[in-house]
Amino acid sequence: KQEVTQIPAALSVPEGENLVLNCSFTDSAIYNLQWFRQDPGKGLTSLLLIQSSQREQTSGRLNASLDKSSGRSTLYIAASQPGDSATYLCAVKGTTDSWGKLQFGAGTQVVVTP
Amino acid sequence: EAQVTQNPRYLITVTGKKLTVTCSQNMNHEYMSWYRQDPGLGLRQIYYSMNVEVTDKGDVPEGYKVSRKEKRNFPLILESPSPNQTSQYYCASRLGASGRFSTDTQYFGPGTRLTVL
Repeated sequence: KQEVTQIPAALSVPEGENLVLNCSFTDSAIYNLQWFRQDPGKGLTSLLLIQSSQREQTSGRLNASLDKSSGRSTLYIAASQPGDSATYLCAVKGTTDSWGKLQFGAGTQVVVTP
Repeated sequence: EAQVTQNPRYLITVTGKKLTVTCSQNMNHEYMSWYRQDPGLGLRQIYYSMNVEVTDKGDVPEGYKVSRKEKRNFPLILESPSPNQTSQYYCASRLGASGRFSTDTQYFGPGTRLTVL
């Protein structure tokens, strides 16, 4: 059974510092991996989706890498801002489930202090 | 605007009183699902639906029912709620049902905070 882990559970950084968020998964048979952002009282917003054949994906200050063989993904957020404070979740879509269920990590809560 | 809507956003109820949380999407998506989110456990799938009249259990289906009579709607039904169903609930949808649609982004509703006393 796929297990997705995010360490650390919480992270606090000063504004301007780069953020590095980690996601690990136990089964490398995946279609893709997605990073989401969750704000209090709101739903999840998709940030980046990396296909299993890709090594990285970029959007603005965000860069996500994927090493499928080692079961790891990293989300980098450059020059963090207070507005980046949120919980970040990663989710993998496995190939063993024909309906492509997403398996989520528990998330990393990020606080960026001014 | 493409969106997933849920109602109600907040609900406090008592044990045993049947309730329904509605979910609707306006993107003509085939696949819809319900998750619950609990501290330290992440999001866990309750039920999912591949299309109209096609539903199946997720990881934590006990105590829940769903129906998919129309493509856009996927209500979650708690026939006899219990305190252990106190949680944050999210409805989600994506275009394709099959896992091979690897480019599909999953869209989430704003969530429903349910408290069962």
